[in-house]
Amino acid sequence: DAMVIQNPRYQVTQFGKPVTLSCSQTLNHNVMYWYQQKSSQAPKLLFHYYDKDFNNEADTPDNFQSRRPNTSFCFLDIRSPGLGDAAMYLCATSRDQDLAKNIQYFGAGTRLSVL
Amino acid sequence: GENVEQHPSTLSVQEGDSAVIKCTYSDSASNYFPWYKQELGKRPQLIIDIRSNVGEKKDQRIAVTLNKTAKHFSLHITETQPEDSAVYFCAAKNSASKIIFGSGTRLSIRP
Repeated sequence: DAMVIQNPRYQVTQFGKPVTLSCSQTLNHNVMYWYQQKSSQAPKLLFHYYDKDFNNEADTPDNFQSRRPNTSFCFLDIRSPGLGDAAMYLCATSRDQDLAKNIQYFGAGTRLSVL
Repeated sequence: GENVEQHPSTLSVQEGDSAVIKCTYSDSASNYFPWYKQELGKRPQLIIDIRSNVGEKKDQRIAVTLNKTAKHFSLHITETQPEDSAVYFCAAKNSASKIIFGSGTRLSIRP
């Protein structure tokens, strides 16, 4: 049973056209993460929410924003996608922030293509 | 900041042989080291992890070793099977409690 659900699985957008990716979870976890994974590379953390507290990584471009309207849902907004933003976007959750004590569960990802 | 290096980037082994993937980390305060397996087009999944107070951990055909002094940790897969083919990522939790991933190893099991 999917516990971290990402929609859509594949998203195609045009250069400069805003796009939103969705993640939902049935685990009631406090923490939700967004990672960007480019081809043959490791996942790169963009930001995470601990409950309603937003934590942005220092090197995440301003073009990437996130919203968490409630515990279950988290959105990734790309305001003006560029060709370099084409990637797999992975959502993950954990019960708490200490990942040594709390397993991180990943969604299946949304593969974004930018035309 | 924390840097996690992973080698090799690709690895091909005969079915039934062992596979070893090695990682090094830079932040001496890192205390947790998970390994993820990512099959083609699928999500990363945690397969094994080790904490800094332990030198070795085994789970069936998978084992992980940690050398804190040298800041090395390794994944060992014995009696490899076709379903072991995937990309494997090592990771380290740094002093800021962030998980830093290695660059990945694409493991192929030859029949």
